[in-house]
Amino acid sequence: GENVEQHPSTLSVQEGDSAVIKCTYSDSASNYFPWYKQELGKGPQLIIDIRSNVGEKKDQRIAVTLNKTAKHFSLHITETQPEDSAVYFCAASKRIKAAGNKLTFGGGTRVLVKP
Amino acid sequence: DGGITQSPKYLFRKEGQNVTLSCEQNLNHDAMYWYRQDPGQGLRLIYYSQIVNDFQKGDIAEGYSVSREKKESFPLTVTSAQKNPTAFYLCASSPPPDSMVYGYTFGSGTRLTVV
Repeated sequence: GENVEQHPSTLSVQEGDSAVIKCTYSDSASNYFPWYKQELGKGPQLIIDIRSNVGEKKDQRIAVTLNKTAKHFSLHITETQPEDSAVYFCAASKRIKAAGNKLTFGGGTRVLVKP
Repeated sequence: DGGITQSPKYLFRKEGQNVTLSCEQNLNHDAMYWYRQDPGQGLRLIYYSQIVNDFQKGDIAEGYSVSREKKESFPLTVTSAQKNPTAFYLCASSPPPDSMVYGYTFGSGTRLTVV
């Protein structure tokens, strides 16, 4: 089955700096890569996703890049703010009918933005 | 507003007891999922269901059971066979793989503690 590795497990940045989280996946058939943000005591929320026919996607201060050859994808947060402090999860899935939409998650990155 | 409702928010279980966690969605999603999250850990898949009256084991199904009698509901029972049930349980749902809308919607979770 799919295996997703996520690094680093914790990340401390100064407010205004950039944060980068990296994930690798094992199944070359995976074609959908979402990122989730989880605040304390809450369920994860989708913040951005990318499909395998796209190399990069941006939404305001958040961007995701995908390298299918190397089987890795990254989340970039620019101009970090205290409200960006949370746990971030990457995930991967094969969006085909037989597999449904079963996501495999990385281990998470706890991001702390220091004012 | 459409969403996923998990109840209760906090649940205490005595040794040897079965407990049932509720998950209800009004998003008209076919697929539903249960994940377990341990402190500082990622999300591990317990069970998932792609359609009513059908469900499959995930990676850590031992000691858990589910039912899917209605599209809106996917309750999880933590049985006495689950030796270490203390964790944060998350329910999610998703549209079908051929949908134009991607991504899981998560509930706000149930924190289960063995006393």
